[in-house]
Amino acid sequence: GESVGLHLPTLSVQEGDNSIINCAYSNSASDYFIWYKQESGKGPQFIIDIRSNMDKRQGQRVTVLLNKTVKHLSLQIAATQPGDSAVYFCAENIMGGSYIPTFGRGTSLIVHP
Amino acid sequence: DVKVTQSSRYLVKRTGEKVFLECVQDMDHENMFWYRQDPGLGLRLIYFSYDVKMKEKGDIPEGYSVSREKKERFSLILESASTNQTSMYLCASSLGGNRNEQFFGPGTRLTVL
Repeated sequence: GESVGLHLPTLSVQEGDNSIINCAYSNSASDYFIWYKQESGKGPQFIIDIRSNMDKRQGQRVTVLLNKTVKHLSLQIAATQPGDSAVYFCAENIMGGSYIPTFGRGTSLIVHP
Repeated sequence: DVKVTQSSRYLVKRTGEKVFLECVQDMDHENMFWYRQDPGLGLRLIYFSYDVKMKEKGDIPEGYSVSREKKERFSLILESASTNQTSMYLCASSLGGNRNEQFFGPGTRLTVL
């Protein structure tokens, strides 16, 4: 999951396994959350988002779960592939408020073939 | 597809040089952002702009300035580059209103010698 400090949390999985990446957000007023994927040498890319009126949203091979009670977000990747190796960031925002999201520090996912 | 482009992928400059980083988006987005990304520190907001000729300081504006003369273009300027400005610079844009999803450019890896 996310952490404070210089070292990026790392999750290592085998190809074909399911991956779960966690994120703790800070602002209880946040109501819009996004997961980004950043591959080496590239900018972050949108993966999936979720609004606070939902607790689960599914995309293609990815699912985001939101637990507002404990201010926790997770990204589940099914049947992880080597191409999923990247740094994953969560971002929290308040819709209709400031349009500047707050980004987590990221988790590095390493998929071993 | 939204496209955010940055003028250079890699740039090497000398201490004291004036450096221009250009960013262009093609989706008529209201908001544009400049971040720097350093290992273990995540994305840090330098400046943002919510309209033409408007700019706001982010978390780390010192040593930087910006220019937004046209809606699609947002420039980051290092008036006198220093070695501690060696970093990955990411530009992003967002539609605004309730759509706060940010679209990122590929990044510029700047090295100041």
